[in-house]
Amino acid sequence: SQQGEEDPQALSIQEGENATMNCSYKTSINNLQWYRQNSGRGLVHLILIRSNEREKHSGRLRVTLDTSKKSSSLLITASRAADTASYFCATAYGNNRLAFGKGNQVVVIP
Amino acid sequence: DVKVTQSSRYLVKRTGEKVFLECVQDMDHENMFWYRQDPGLGLRLIYFSYDVKMKEKGDIPEGYSVSREKKERFSLILESASTNQTSMYLCASSLWDKDSYEQYFGPGTRLTVT
Repeated sequence: SQQGEEDPQALSIQEGENATMNCSYKTSINNLQWYRQNSGRGLVHLILIRSNEREKHSGRLRVTLDTSKKSSSLLITASRAADTASYFCATAYGNNRLAFGKGNQVVVIP
Repeated sequence: DVKVTQSSRYLVKRTGEKVFLECVQDMDHENMFWYRQDPGLGLRLIYFSYDVKMKEKGDIPEGYSVSREKKERFSLILESASTNQTSMYLCASSLWDKDSYEQYFGPGTRLTVT
């Protein structure tokens, strides 16, 4: 199965700063998605970028995709304490399956 | 809004017990999934169902079985719980959609096997 791999694993920033996290994958994809998980809860879908797209925005989120390097980045601008969470990338494969990375822990200090 | 519910948030069971984890979704999704989440290992797929009574093994099916008798309900069964099955269990659902695969997750069940 494909696996997304986020990098770095943990990030601690001040409120108002930007947070960037990266994800790499191994094989060709239809799309790549980012999810957020607040402590001890389920995952929530944030944004999807298709393989023919290079950049996508949603509110304070910006996702880029470089299929030649098999990598994606998620940027959260003007971070807030409520952005404290784990962030996972996921790549689609097979019968509607997703392969998730191990996650980035982001802590936003008020 | 899509809602995925799981029967318990926290569960403590003894080694050897049979454990049932229930998941219900209210959006008529074809696909349902069971994952386990462990520190440092991310989410790993246990089983997947794309229709009533249909199932496929995921990456770590050993020690687990599933049941999908109705479209909205997907159950994960631990036939004889063991301590290495202590984990967070997450259920998810999605439409059968070749362009998206977006999944909706339940809140999770933290299972402790003693």
